[in-house]
Amino acid sequence: EVRLLESGRGLVQRGGSLRVSCVASGFTFSKNSMAWVRQAPGKGLEWVSSISDSGEYTYYADSVRGRFTISRDNSKNTLYLHMSSLGAEDTAVYYCAREAAGPTTYFDYWGQGTLVTVSS
Amino acid sequence: AVQLTQSPSSLSASVGDRVTITCRASQDISTALAWYQHKPGRAPQVLIYHASNLESGVPSRFRGSGSGTDFTLTISSLQPEDFATYYCQQYNLYPSFGGGTKVEIK
Repeated sequence: EVRLLESGRGLVQRGGSLRVSCVASGFTFSKNSMAWVRQAPGKGLEWVSSISDSGEYTYYADSVRGRFTISRDNSKNTLYLHMSSLGAEDTAVYYCAREAAGPTTYFDYWGQGTLVTVSS
Repeated sequence: AVQLTQSPSSLSASVGDRVTITCRASQDISTALAWYQHKPGRAPQVLIYHASNLESGVPSRFRGSGSGTDFTLTISSLQPEDFATYYCQQYNLYPSFGGGTKVEIK
């Protein structure tokens, strides 16, 4: 059974930094591209970032490019998202998702999400 | 960036009703479109990919159609467990989602 478990839920001050993680199990992690998708309170889903299976290629939404960094450790089956210069607009539930067919495609498995709150 | 416009943004329906949700893309995306179901506090679930392919394990009452800029998700006979929010997502370029359609009980 594919499982994605996010961690790193937290409250951070405006302008601060936070790292969220996602531990994967039930599939060969190193063979799948992965992504982060977020949902702000009362809003819809927003793709944030994707990373190729090897970690060589990364992709970002315009809203986070230059502030967020996606990475992975295939030896630990773990995906990361390092977030910096956080603003109120970054308050959201952050979902880890497996890419079904390469980076920036669609997502066939999702985690339950972890809440990041940016306080002003 | 490709913009996706879903309609309606919400609807009320009864068990057994046929429900149709539309998704319009701002440019031609061929069939690079997926549909998701999302319930509060739960992980989103993919229903349809490549516009019309049913994801394994998803009931056959869900059907996707369309290509180019206009797409449709149809639920042939609404079941109690189908009350949720539905999103379309394109992956022709960097991924983007529609605004969502909340399906509520009439």
